Amino acid sequence: DQQVKQNSPSLSVQEGRISILNCDYTNSMFDYFLWYKKYPAEGPTFLISISSIKDKNEDGRFTVFLNKSAKHLSLHIVPSQPGDSAVYFCAATGSDTGFQKLVFGTGTRLLVSP
Amino acid sequence: GAVVSQHPSWVICKSGTSVKIECRSLDFQATTMFWYRQFPKQSLMLMATSNEGSKATYEQGVEKDKFLINHASLTLSTLTVTSAHPEDSSFYICSAQNPSTDTQYFGPGTRLTVL
Repeated sequence: DQQVKQNSPSLSVQEGRISILNCDYTNSMFDYFLWYKKYPAEGPTFLISISSIKDKNEDGRFTVFLNKSAKHLSLHIVPSQPGDSAVYFCAATGSDTGFQKLVFGTGTRLLVSP
Repeated sequence: GAVVSQHPSWVICKSGTSVKIECRSLDFQATTMFWYRQFPKQSLMLMATSNEGSKATYEQGVEKDKFLINHASLTLSTLTVTSAHPEDSSFYICSAQNPSTDTQYFGPGTRLTVL
């Protein structure tokens, strides 16, 4: 039972354009969401997060949008850069686990071409 | 710099042997550390939550006698894969939770290959 889903396994974008990565979840107990970036053979690196009391959080080129009623979140990267090429995981957690247990999606591989 | 380190970064072993993986929190004392496993092209799956000074909490379907976890200090947790078999070959990643921020910082991972 995949509680966090990233339906697009890959995404290709040209440098300078916007990258939009999507994530859906099913567990209504989730109320804190995170995006991680991962390079091959490395651990995930935290990018940005959002609490369920917000619908948008912005940090530089990265913006995360949350639609709680649709149980959907998205990560926007603009402008995209070749160095953004990596696998992006969304993750969710909730107060029922003390915000400790992270449930990850399957990841989306982003390729930004020059 | 790295906040969480793992050792070794990769290991190849024969079937039936045991392998120990270390996870160290370098910048803060971590009461709670986590062990994940990632199969190729799949998500990171939480295996267990390691609490300093107490027994680890294992996720459903994870054999605690096969994956021994020891969180002996606030900066070190170890995962021992006992009697490893080829199906245990995977990428194992640990994370440490900063108690000040509740943010999890991940280690670089350990690739285990069991022949």
